[in-house]
Amino acid sequence: GAGVSQSPRYKVAKRGQDVALRCDPISGHVSLFWYQQALGQGPEFLTYFQNEAQLDKSGLPSDRFFAERPEGSVSTLKIQRTQQEDSAVYLCASSLGGFDNYGYTFGSGTRLTVV
Amino acid sequence: DQQVKQNSPSLSVQEGRISILNCDYTNSMFDYFLWYKKYPAEGPTFLISISSIKDKNEDGRFTVFLNKSAKHLSLHIVPSQPGDSAVYFCAASAVNAGKSTFGDGTTLTVKP
Repeated sequence: GAGVSQSPRYKVAKRGQDVALRCDPISGHVSLFWYQQALGQGPEFLTYFQNEAQLDKSGLPSDRFFAERPEGSVSTLKIQRTQQEDSAVYLCASSLGGFDNYGYTFGSGTRLTVV
Repeated sequence: DQQVKQNSPSLSVQEGRISILNCDYTNSMFDYFLWYKKYPAEGPTFLISISSIKDKNEDGRFTVFLNKSAKHLSLHIVPSQPGDSAVYFCAASAVNAGKSTFGDGTTLTVKP
């Protein structure tokens, strides 16, 4: 597709449930990023892949969060035993190179609500 | 400790006038700065960027100014149009670091 595609668009999870969020980056984009955006705040970095290699996972808030990109294209962000504080919009972004002077291309995000 | 700050949560301007959005940063390692625009229910869209070796970058109605000594950048939109109404995020990166650090955004409203 022409843009970054994220699914599902909305997810409601019961506290303690595991969730998996999917990101389809732009074809050929080497770099893929996950950000978390809480209401009224800017996106906060979670993790970064270059092809299939996870180069930076310093932003993952706890060991309940896990991300993978096994074939260097589609990525999945998994959250185990969800908590209410995990409620946020999860944004995926991709860029052509390791650092793109034209910024990232973001998807529309997955809004996660933990009840 | 927030490394990128946008101190004005909102800004309202009249159509045709100038919009000035401000951003401050604290981390001296940042050497690349970007502005993104976000409409409701969409992801942020890249608008314009500037490298720390420059103090100004222009793209049509949008100009970004960088004052390294003050660790301050601003986005000027001239003339402002109602379609510019959106949330604007300032972001900063260290080249080759991959990730960007974002401010909390400024909501711009352009009134017809």
